[in-house]
Amino acid sequence: AQKITQTQPGMFVQEKEAVTLDCTYDTSDQSYGLFWYKQPSSGEMIFLIYQGSYDEQNATEGRYSLNFQKARKSANLVISASQLGDSAMYFCASPGGATNKLIFGTGTLLAVQP
Amino acid sequence: NAGVTQTPKFQVLKTGQSMTLQCAQDMNHEYMSWYRQDPGMGLRLIHYSVGAGITDQGEVPNGYNVSRSTTEDFPLRLLSAAPSQTSVYFCASSRDPGAVSEKLFFGSGTQLSVL
Repeated sequence: AQKITQTQPGMFVQEKEAVTLDCTYDTSDQSYGLFWYKQPSSGEMIFLIYQGSYDEQNATEGRYSLNFQKARKSANLVISASQLGDSAMYFCASPGGATNKLIFGTGTLLAVQP
Repeated sequence: NAGVTQTPKFQVLKTGQSMTLQCAQDMNHEYMSWYRQDPGMGLRLIHYSVGAGITDQGEVPNGYNVSRSTTEDFPLRLLSAAPSQTSVYFCASSRDPGAVSEKLFFGSGTQLSVL
């Protein structure tokens, strides 16, 4: 992707509710992938989920799922049954160019409220 | 299996000083990269390498040098630190530089302040 856009700088969600974090991308590549990473307050980058452009089914990993809409160029992250430990910064990313140079969005800060 | 190891974790420099951020991985990954993270700007690629002896510039390379003499190590050098280089730096690696499905493995980050 040439550009990744995350339009939600911050979001609140109540514990146990579902939340959707938005991500749109701009690419002219036929084959590409979309990644989501989580960055808790401790600072490390944690891989959450991956979706390939040719994958027919939306990716799921436990409580994380990716709502992939190719025609709209969006790859939104859905977190079901939010937990307090989900409070973190979330980044959408995609490779740019011929090598695995991940291009990141600006991130969404999620706060889960009890 | 240590993964990606970055040192130091914190560093304070004076303007004009030089230093090297160390990065090592023990996963035999071909691809290594350096990012900087600034508030509101996400992670931006500084330099990357697709194998030993091969390096290339990313989005924000000015003021930084890299080298890749071995598969394991990818140090980032600041030749003359500037306050604009105050940031959190991440080293990351992956197995196959050409595969769009390869996730990056990140180091724990280095918080650098330049006064």
